[in-house]
Amino acid sequence: NAGVTQTPKFRILKIGQSMTLQCAQDMNHNYMYWYRQDPGMGLKLIYYSVGAGITDKGEVPNGYNVSRSTTEDFPLRLELAAPSQTSVYFCASSRGTGVGNEQFFGPGTRLTVL
Amino acid sequence: GDSVTQMEGPVTLSEEAFLTINCTYTATGYPSLFWYVQYPGEGLQLLLKATKADDKGSNKGFEATYRKETTSFHLEKGSVQVSDSAVYFCALRGLSGNTPLVFGKGTRLSVIA
Repeated sequence: NAGVTQTPKFRILKIGQSMTLQCAQDMNHNYMYWYRQDPGMGLKLIYYSVGAGITDKGEVPNGYNVSRSTTEDFPLRLELAAPSQTSVYFCASSRGTGVGNEQFFGPGTRLTVL
Repeated sequence: GDSVTQMEGPVTLSEEAFLTINCTYTATGYPSLFWYVQYPGEGLQLLLKATKADDKGSNKGFEATYRKETTSFHLEKGSVQVSDSAVYFCALRGLSGNTPLVFGKGTRLSVIA
């Protein structure tokens, strides 16, 4: 199993550009998540999905969009990039949210908006 | 809402020193508690977990005990190694619905030889 994979690893955007961060998992997990990690701020949840076709907002969804057309894939879309979106983005997945369920994380995408 | 508070870093220790990273939480009921570790340039990995009061999670020489009375889940290791240098995150999952993880801000540990 590859686990959770993310592409690209690094990206530099200009203000106003758009891009899609890709995330895929091969563990047949129903739940998938997008977090952003800012220096010294821990992880903040952007969006999550409890299954194909179902998504919900997290703590910081503004400026982002997601879709979940398959169990495996959960892309994150930035429509109009802003400097405030400079961050490291992590995708994660889990089988469920029952007691003790572990989240598995991808290696991250480092995004800089100039 | 649910929250996690970790001790501020960075923490710098010599090899073989004793490590404690404090973590306290605010949540209703009995959440599940986790410690994740992030090595340089990598994503987060689960280090250990505990799902009920007085449970002790352990892995790779690290331990943490779920203390309901003090709402704490402090991470300890008796003798750290240079390879333990990483950022450590305390996290909880509450009991209601599809609750995602709530993370602390992370504590950076540097171990010097």
